[in-house]
Amino acid sequence: DAGVTQSPTHLIKTRGQHVTLRCSPISGHKSVSWYQQVLGQGPQFIFQYYEKEERGRGNFPDRFSARQFPNYSSELNVNALLLGDSALYLCASSPGHALYEQYFGPGTRLTVT
Amino acid sequence: AQSVTQLGSHVSVSEGALVLLRCNYSSSVPPYLFWYVQYPNQGLQLLLKYTSAATLVKGINGFEAEFKKSETSFHLTKPSAHMSDAAEYFCAVSDTGGSTLGRLYFGRGTQLTVWP
Repeated sequence: DAGVTQSPTHLIKTRGQHVTLRCSPISGHKSVSWYQQVLGQGPQFIFQYYEKEERGRGNFPDRFSARQFPNYSSELNVNALLLGDSALYLCASSPGHALYEQYFGPGTRLTVT
Repeated sequence: AQSVTQLGSHVSVSEGALVLLRCNYSSSVPPYLFWYVQYPNQGLQLLLKYTSAATLVKGINGFEAEFKKSETSFHLTKPSAHMSDAAEYFCAVSDTGGSTLGRLYFGRGTQLTVWP
């Protein structure tokens, strides 16, 4: 079975621009979570979606938004990019009966210049 | 909120030696606990998890971890290190219920180096 996939792999943006990151969960998984991993640190929780509803949001500004589609894929949007948004963005999917059991994709490396 | 402390940002061992990576959690209520491994330029791979069953948990690649409630610890061990074990290891916790179930809180990571 295919694992979690994310696109694009790498992205370079300029300060002030907008970015959209995409994630496809493991087949059958109905929950998607997003994490930000800054270099040298552990991942930080941004959002969790379950059955297309936002289930939780971490301590991130309103510039960060996300949604989950009927096929359970998800998008993470970041507006007005700052240099500090440069990070590896990780998507994880979970089965509905075990939301804590998260399987991660390879991530999208975002560089803001 | 949950928090996780990983003692030692860098651990070096010789090939064949015991690997011990330390993790302590802060919650007064035992959480769900996880160890993940991250190879360079890759995502996170789940090594093992504790979800209130046996306190000694066996994972992939010969790793295991023991949940000790009295010490609020979940240390990761492997009897004999292999060169391929060199990677970054993250300990994570999750609440066991409620609206924050499934929200993982990660430690800062421990970089494991294995010398030949």
